[in-house]
Amino acid sequence: DTAVSQTPKYLVTQMGNDKSIKCEQNLGHDTMYWYKQDSKKFLKIMFSYNNKELIINETVPNRFSPKSPDKAHLNLHINSLELGDSAVYFCASSQDLNSGNTIYFGEGSWLTVV
Amino acid sequence: TQLLEQSPQFLSIQEGENLTVYCNSSSVFSSLQWYRQEPGEGPVLLVTVVTGGEVKKLKRLTFQFGDARKDSSLHITAAQPGDTGLYLCAAMEYGNKLVFGAGTILRVKS
Repeated sequence: DTAVSQTPKYLVTQMGNDKSIKCEQNLGHDTMYWYKQDSKKFLKIMFSYNNKELIINETVPNRFSPKSPDKAHLNLHINSLELGDSAVYFCASSQDLNSGNTIYFGEGSWLTVV
Repeated sequence: TQLLEQSPQFLSIQEGENLTVYCNSSSVFSSLQWYRQEPGEGPVLLVTVVTGGEVKKLKRLTFQFGDARKDSSLHITAAQPGDTGLYLCAAMEYGNKLVFGAGTILRVKS
């Protein structure tokens, strides 16, 4: 069973469109994250949620809106997509906010904006 | 300026060679982590080093945390094609926020 699963894996869309990426974890974790990896492989945190509550928002444009309907899900909605949004988006989870916990990453969602 | 500087950015070696990847910073960390990311996959945690001067071994991989807890290294002995991937060091900040280095792309040729 996949621990952290995200869909879709690949997404090609036009500028200006709105799209969502879904994430689910079956590990029973309290904390979930979204990371963005750019074309140079640089990985940077975007958001974190703990028990459905927003903890970290790393000055991401407000076109990006995460939503956590429950502890096991953290979806990412992106409005008015721009070329610069093209990247790989990784969902991740950890037991809680304790810094000693391992963070488990999903396989990534490849977003290409044309 | 990145918090964590990794070097080299890219490494292409022959099977059987040894290599070292470095992760440096001017900041002191309570711990540093190393991840490996294969193409089409997410990063996977290899090790966490916590104590200054600590050395951890994972088969042919040796991880070291600097005495001052500002830097770390990953040494691979007798590299194999299966070691090919992106190696990332990361530090944990408040709120379980991982801050990554820019990564080292390793290619091991058979």
